[in-house]
Amino acid sequence: AQTVTQSQPEMSVQEAETVTLSCTYDTSENNYYLFWYKQPPSRQMILVIRQEAYKQQNATENRFSVNFQKAAKSFSLKISDSQLGDTAMYFCAFISTGNQFYFGTGTSLTVIP
Amino acid sequence: AAGVIQSPRHLIKEKRETATLKCYPIPRHDTVYWYQQGPGQDPQFLISFYEKMQSDKGSIPDRFSAQQFSDYHSELNMSSLELGDSALYFCASSSAVLAGGPYEQYFGPGTRLTVT
Repeated sequence: AQTVTQSQPEMSVQEAETVTLSCTYDTSENNYYLFWYKQPPSRQMILVIRQEAYKQQNATENRFSVNFQKAAKSFSLKISDSQLGDTAMYFCAFISTGNQFYFGTGTSLTVIP
Repeated sequence: AAGVIQSPRHLIKEKRETATLKCYPIPRHDTVYWYQQGPGQDPQFLISFYEKMQSDKGSIPDRFSAQQFSDYHSELNMSSLELGDSALYFCASSSAVLAGGPYEQYFGPGTRLTVT
């Protein structure tokens, strides 16, 4: 069974600073994808970034980047130059051949002006 | 760009009533997924459909059923509603062949169901 763990229920960061959100997962699969989704107060689920397990290069998307450590089964999200609009719940998610998403319990991020 | 459409956005029902939630995927997406997110919870996978056939099943109660129609829209039917069914229900869609493949799901805005 796949599990996704986010050990930081809440985090805060000063505007313009950098913050890293942690995620670990457990799977016996070799081919899978990892995602970070953002859920602002509107409750919309917004894709932030994704990483294919077969790619060694860490994914980046503007101010968002990941540190993917496949052997350690770790997938952290780094947000640089934090903005007020980054305030949201962030979910780490895993998907493999079953096409079913497994979500972590989320990290609530608050960006402080 | 077109996004996933869900209707209604809000729904209030009483216990033991029936509710139907609708989902219209992004054009050319062939796969639809349903998730339930309780208050303060992470989304839980309910069921998915690919090319109008059920492809995967998660923690969907027997009181719930779903289907995907020929135009790829999907409906989640919920009967004998219970207070615990109050949640945000997300639909997501993906494509098996387009860029991003089946592993990139785009979520709709959700339907907030309140059971009183």
